[in-house]
Amino acid sequence: ETGVTQSPTHLIKTRGQQVTLRCSSQSGHNTVSWYQQALGQGPQFIFQYYREEENGRGNFPPRFSGLQFPNYSSELNVNALELDDSALYLCASSLPGTVENEQFFGPGTRLTVL
Amino acid sequence: GQQLNQSPQSMFIQEGEDVSMNCTSSSIFNTWLWYKQDPGEGPVLLIALYKAGELTSNGRLTAQFGITRKDSFLNISASIPSDVGIYFCAGPSNFGNEKLTFGTGTRLTIIP
Repeated sequence: ETGVTQSPTHLIKTRGQQVTLRCSSQSGHNTVSWYQQALGQGPQFIFQYYREEENGRGNFPPRFSGLQFPNYSSELNVNALELDDSALYLCASSLPGTVENEQFFGPGTRLTVL
Repeated sequence: GQQLNQSPQSMFIQEGEDVSMNCTSSSIFNTWLWYKQDPGEGPVLLIALYKAGELTSNGRLTAQFGITRKDSFLNISASIPSDVGIYFCAGPSNFGNEKLTFGTGTRLTIIP
């Protein structure tokens, strides 16, 4: 069974640029959630995708957008990057519905915005 | 909004010591989750609690769901070097039951 994988591992961008991060969910999981973890903080929920549609969104502006593909993999896109977007971006896959369905996290993508 | 505050923020202990940490919330939670995050990794679920007053163990780890539903505790007995990491509490967020809100974290360091 393959776990959650994310790419790239690290990324450096400059202010104003756009970035795409990728996530492959664990085998059999059709729900992917994205979290932003700033240095020294806990992860914060960005949004969740289920059946290729957004299924809930946290307090993040519209320049944070996503996609989910038929194979359940997902992308996080961030436009007009700001310095505060520097963080570890985590994706988590799970079965849908309840908090009892464990979310399995990937190792994250470390984004640095200069 | 929801806030989960963890204490202590960091702990420095010797191998073999017991560890206690807690998590408090400004609002009632119906589920408490405890995660551990190693450097360069995503969080891994340690223990899940679903009922007020519940006490659940996972090896040397024991967690309790506070009776007020606004707090939870995690204890680690006889710490070993691989216990080093950051421990997060988490629970259902205002955005949906399975969309999690995380605490501020407790960083555990073991002094040789």
